[in-house]
Amino acid sequence: EAGVAQSPRYKIIEKRQSVAFWCNPISGHATLYWYQQILGQGPKLLIQFQNNGVVDDSQLPKDRFSAERLKGVDSTLKIQPAKLEDSAVYLCASSGGQGGNEQFFGPGTRLTVL
Amino acid sequence: RKEVEQDPGPFNVPEGATVAFNCTYSNSASQSFFWYRQDCRKEPKLLMSVYSSGNEDGRFTAQLNRASQYISLLIRDSKLSDSATYLCVVRTNAGKSTFGDGTTLTVKP
Repeated sequence: EAGVAQSPRYKIIEKRQSVAFWCNPISGHATLYWYQQILGQGPKLLIQFQNNGVVDDSQLPKDRFSAERLKGVDSTLKIQPAKLEDSAVYLCASSGGQGGNEQFFGPGTRLTVL
Repeated sequence: RKEVEQDPGPFNVPEGATVAFNCTYSNSASQSFFWYRQDCRKEPKLLMSVYSSGNEDGRFTAQLNRASQYISLLIRDSKLSDSATYLCVVRTNAGKSTFGDGTTLTVKP
C-alpha cells in the first residue's frame, strides 16, 4: 500500500514570497491533516479535513495560510506571504479505512524562509 | 500551560537499561491516547495505542491514569535502535489530536 506522498521535500524562499505544498493521502483515507513542526517541538495541527470539509482549522493563521481539499482526495497548503517564523517542517497525515484512528504521516516538506 | 506536557529529556541511557517517559494532559475530554516515535529528520510513526487497562508490546509498556490525566511509556532492555524522540498524543472524541513536544532518548553502547 502506497504511503502519504508530499511534495516538494525541501523549499527555500525569501520572506514575503508565497509557497505551496501538496499532499496525496493514502487511498481510502477520509481524514487529512496538515501539521507544522518547528525544530524541537511536536507537530502542531494546522487544519483537519474530513473528505472535502474542514473539521478543525482553529490553529491555522488564516491571514497568511490557506488549505483546500477540493475533491476530497489530495490537498494543498499555501502560505502567502511567508514570514521567517514559518520555517518548519510541514507534515501531512491521513487516517481512516482499516487503519482506524492511526495517523499515517508523509515525509514532510522542510521549508526555510530567509 | 500546554495541553500535553512531556518530560523535557534528553534521556541518555546505556544499552539494556529500563527507561520511563511521562506525559500529562489537561483536556479532560480526551478519549484516546497514543505514543508515536519520530526518528531524526523523519516523520512520526505510531508506536502503540494506550488503553485504560495498560498494554504491553514486547519491551514496551504503556499505562494510562485517567484520574490523574497521566500517561507513561516504559521501555525495558533498551536497544541502540530505540534512540528516537517519543511523542505523546492525546485525541478528543471530536477527533482532534494534540502532540506533546516529545522526549528524546539516546541509547549508548
